[in-house]
Amino acid sequence: EVQLVESGGGLVKPGRSLRLSCTASGFTFGDYAMSWFRQAPGKGLEWVGFIRSKAYGGTTEYAASVKGRFTISRDDSKSIAYLQMNSLKTEDTAVYYCTRARYGDYETFDYWGQGTLVTVSS
Amino acid sequence: DIQMTQSPSSLSASVGDRVTITCQASQDISNYLNWYQQKPGKAPKLLIYDASNLETGVPSRFSGSGSGTDFTFTISSLQPEDIATYYCQQYDNPITFGQGTRLEIK
Repeated sequence: EVQLVESGGGLVKPGRSLRLSCTASGFTFGDYAMSWFRQAPGKGLEWVGFIRSKAYGGTTEYAASVKGRFTISRDDSKSIAYLQMNSLKTEDTAVYYCTRARYGDYETFDYWGQGTLVTVSS
Repeated sequence: DIQMTQSPSSLSASVGDRVTITCQASQDISNYLNWYQQKPGKAPKLLIYDASNLETGVPSRFSGSGSGTDFTFTISSLQPEDIATYYCQQYDNPITFGQGTRLEIK
């Protein structure tokens, strides 16, 4: 059974950093692109960024709203994807979801974690 | 970025009704469109990919159609468990979503 479990969320002050982790199980992690999304309270879904599998170069893409502040990385040996968030702003407050892209894809997302809440507030 | 205009924003229907949601892209996105269902307090779930393909395990009462700029998502016979918010997502770089349609039972 595919499982994605996010961790690392919490309350953080504006300007500070936070790293989220996504621990995967039930599939060959290294074969899949992984992506992060977020959802502000009561709002819709927003794509944050993704990281391709090593077979596709392991490269990353980011939404304009986080580019230069957020970094996605992966450790295939541990089946973990990371979202490093720097220079956090109050508007980054959201539930953050880790997702798996369909095999050979990086733009359609067939499994989602339960989400972890990040609150940016002084 | 490509803007996705989803309508209606909310919808109330009776069990057994046919329900239709539309999504319009601000430019041609071919069939680069997916549909997700999000139940309250839960993560989204992929229902339809590439505009018209039913994800494995998803009931056949769900369907999608369209290409270019105009897309439709249909539930052929609404069931109580279909109460959720539905989102379209385009992936003609970068990825963007429609604003969602909240579906309620009348």
